Amino acid sequence: NAGVTQTPKFQVLKTGQSMTLQCAQDMNHEYMSWYRQDPGMGLRLIHYSVGAGITDQGEVPNGYNVSRSTTEDFPLRLLSAAPSQTSVYFCASSVDREWYGYTFGSGTRLTVV
Amino acid sequence: AQSVTQLGSHVSVSEGALVLLRCNYSSSVPPYLFWYVQYPNQGLQLLLKYTTGATLVKGINGFEAEFKKSETSFHLTKPSAHMSDAAEYFCAVTGYGNNRLAFGKGNQVVVIP
Repeated sequence: NAGVTQTPKFQVLKTGQSMTLQCAQDMNHEYMSWYRQDPGMGLRLIHYSVGAGITDQGEVPNGYNVSRSTTEDFPLRLLSAAPSQTSVYFCASSVDREWYGYTFGSGTRLTVV
Repeated sequence: AQSVTQLGSHVSVSEGALVLLRCNYSSSVPPYLFWYVQYPNQGLQLLLKYTTGATLVKGINGFEAEFKKSETSFHLTKPSAHMSDAAEYFCAVTGYGNNRLAFGKGNQVVVIP
């Protein structure tokens, strides 16, 4: 099993550009989430999904869009990149939101210049 | 809403000494509590979790944590630190029916030879 796969691992964007961070899991997990990690801030939830076709906002959703057309994939779109979106982004999935904890991808390090 | 407090962003411990990382939580529903570890340039890995039942839980790499409802705490301990324990540690909380996992800001553990 590959687990949770994130691509790309590194990305540099110019302010105003758009891009999609990819996340795929092969564990048939219903629950998927996107977090951003910033120094001294811990991990903050951007968007999450409880199943295909269902998404909802986390605590820092502004500037990001998500969709969940399949169980396996949960892409994160940056509509118009800003320097404040420079961060490390983690995708996570879980078979059950409460009991099993989340499996995390290895992250995407994004720099917006 | 649920939240986690981890005090002391950087924790230094001598090799062979006790590792103690403190986590206090706030939750309006019975909590499910987790400790994650993050090694440099990697994603988060689940160390241990408390959902129900025994309040002393054992995890990987010799770590354990005790759920104390009266103190709203879930402190992480390891009797003897090893150089390989140098990493960042995150406490997280969720609850039944809650789609969100709330993280603390993390403790960066440095092991001194």
